[in-house]
Amino acid sequence: NAGVTQTPKFRILKIGQSMTLQCTQDMNHNYMYWYRQDPGMGLKLIYYSVGAGITDKGEVPNGYNVSRSTTEDFPLRLELAAPSQTSVYFCASSYSGSPSGNTIYFGEGSWLTVV
Amino acid sequence: QQQVKQSPQSLIVQKGGISIINCAYENTAFDYFPWYQQFPGKGPALLIAIRPDVSEKKEGRFTISFNKSAKQFSLHIMDSQPGDSATYFCAAVGYSGYALNFGKGTSLLVTP
Repeated sequence: NAGVTQTPKFRILKIGQSMTLQCTQDMNHNYMYWYRQDPGMGLKLIYYSVGAGITDKGEVPNGYNVSRSTTEDFPLRLELAAPSQTSVYFCASSYSGSPSGNTIYFGEGSWLTVV
Repeated sequence: QQQVKQSPQSLIVQKGGISIINCAYENTAFDYFPWYQQFPGKGPALLIAIRPDVSEKKEGRFTISFNKSAKQFSLHIMDSQPGDSATYFCAAVGYSGYALNFGKGTSLLVTP
């Protein structure tokens, strides 16, 4: 059972560069999420998707973009990387949208450093 | 603004002891309160969750106590083991919400 798979695991970016964090899930979940985790700050929602072709902003969307062309994939694009985007990024998915009562499954994370 | 406040930030407990982590919230629309466990280098994983219509939920050594009037809930780990050493996050969400509102996390170390 692969679950939620993220790549790359680690990446160092220079200021101003762009990159895409890949996320795929094999659980046929409709809902997918991107969170960032900063030390001592918990997890904050960047973007989420309720299904293929539908995405919406979370709490901290600035500097990021997403797309959802298939049920399985939900890539996160960082445009013009800034040091403030140094963080651990987690992709997650759930069967239905409201987390209330539905388990959210997280990937193992992608460590990004912007220098 | 942090919608869920979690304490303590870190906790050291001896093997066999009780670990207690507390959370508080303000939004009365929250109706689902999960706890996540995260080991180093891994993503968070759901540990146990509760709804406000019950005051306590127990699963093995893990218990959530919920005080609706005080808007507080806590995680108790009985007979704590070194393997329980991890970061624990409380969270809250309302029925119509998509985003889990996480606390800042508690780093638990259980010493042998």
